[in-house]
Amino acid sequence: GAGVSQTPSNKVTEKGKYVELRCDPISGHTALYWYRQSLGQGPEFLIYFQGTGAADDSGLPNDRFFAVRPEGSVSTLKIQRTERGDSAVYLCASSLQRDTEAFFGQGTRLTVV
Amino acid sequence: GDSVTQMEGPVTLSEEAFLTINCTYTATGYPSLFWYVQYPGEGLQLLLKATKADDKGSNKGFEATYRKETTSFHLEKGSVQVSDSAVYFCALKSTGNQFYFGTGTSLTVIP
Repeated sequence: GAGVSQTPSNKVTEKGKYVELRCDPISGHTALYWYRQSLGQGPEFLIYFQGTGAADDSGLPNDRFFAVRPEGSVSTLKIQRTERGDSAVYLCASSLQRDTEAFFGQGTRLTVV
Repeated sequence: GDSVTQMEGPVTLSEEAFLTINCTYTATGYPSLFWYVQYPGEGLQLLLKATKADDKGSNKGFEATYRKETTSFHLEKGSVQVSDSAVYFCALKSTGNQFYFGTGTSLTVIP
């Protein structure tokens, strides 16, 4: 596609539920990033994929968060037992290689009630 | 660790005013520096970048110069327009895998 696509654009879920957020990167981009942006803050790094593997997951806040990219393209961020503090905009970005600029999707706004 | 500090907002300017948004960084090695912009209701977009000291990035009338001696990458525009109203983020990418972002500076330009 023309850009990074994230679905859904908005997600409201109840505390304790499981959610999946999807990212379709730009075709051919090998690097994929997940970030989380809270209100009034800059994006905070969660995880980085190079191809199919999670090359750096040091930003995942705890073991409730997990992400996959099984075929080296689409990625899914999974959050178990959601908490109200997980409410934020989750951003996905991709880049052609690790050292080039990243292109961001419009994000998924997650609200945990 | 690596980090970015940028000028807090919000900033309100009249159309055709001069804009400066300050950004300083801390990094190991020699990072690449970026300015991203987020227009209302849209995703982050790359505005400009610089990959080495003394490089000047420019786009849409905006400029920023990579200053290693002052560890700065200030964003400037000589004459802002209403359409420049947005949130601006300074970011760096060093030897690691992640981009480090500042907290963002909200700019409102009034006619």
